[in-house]
Amino acid sequence: QSVLTQPPSVSGAPGQRVTISCTGSGSNFGAGYDVHWYKQFPGTAPQLVIYANSNRPSGVPDRFSGSRSGTSASLVITGLRADDDGDYYCQSYDTSLSDWVFGGGTKLTVL
Amino acid sequence: QVTLKESGPALVKPTQTLTLTCTFSGFALSTTGMRLTWIRQRPGKALEWLARIDWDDDTFYRRPLKTRLTISKGRSKNQVVLTMTDMDPADTATYFCARLREGDYFFDSWGQGLLVTVSS
Repeated sequence: QSVLTQPPSVSGAPGQRVTISCTGSGSNFGAGYDVHWYKQFPGTAPQLVIYANSNRPSGVPDRFSGSRSGTSASLVITGLRADDDGDYYCQSYDTSLSDWVFGGGTKLTVL
Repeated sequence: QVTLKESGPALVKPTQTLTLTCTFSGFALSTTGMRLTWIRQRPGKALEWLARIDWDDDTFYRRPLKTRLTISKGRSKNQVVLTMTDMDPADTATYFCARLREGDYFFDSWGQGLLVTVSS
């Protein structure tokens, strides 16, 4: 069981908006540690899409946005495209474990 | 451009020691604040951080695996090596190396990953 909890799957039609949630606890988000999001195609390396809650690395379109409040965080993707299909992982740092922690991943299917 | 690539055996036997090498370019691990980590992804499981080495040679390990892991700088200044002893089929996973910088708590660049299967 992952320290950060994500829904196993979400889906949406092209052009729609989807939200992927990530629930943490007082020892990670609640302790002030940021959430970061990665996208992964099967068999490839994870790619950072949001860092420090809401910042996009260079090259990531503004269709991707993120937020964190209390012990929860969200990744929002608007204007869904076929190439958004893949697995999305949230990540933070946990002070009680002294460990970088990840969510179990959410499979996004673009219908 | 930052690149990282993992290398090592694709298959190891139970009880053997796994040695993985991360070869990187586009940055120097000797730069103050630079860190390199190993992360694995077991089939159907979440990503797990394993170990970290810093520019000043400080090392850190995932607590449950601490006795089995060693991370070190390689003979080449652009390499980092991870060894994991007493391999078990439960250690079958894709192993990634990733860059981390002081002050950041996210991994900004990753290698492509290396699938290691533990089987007799």
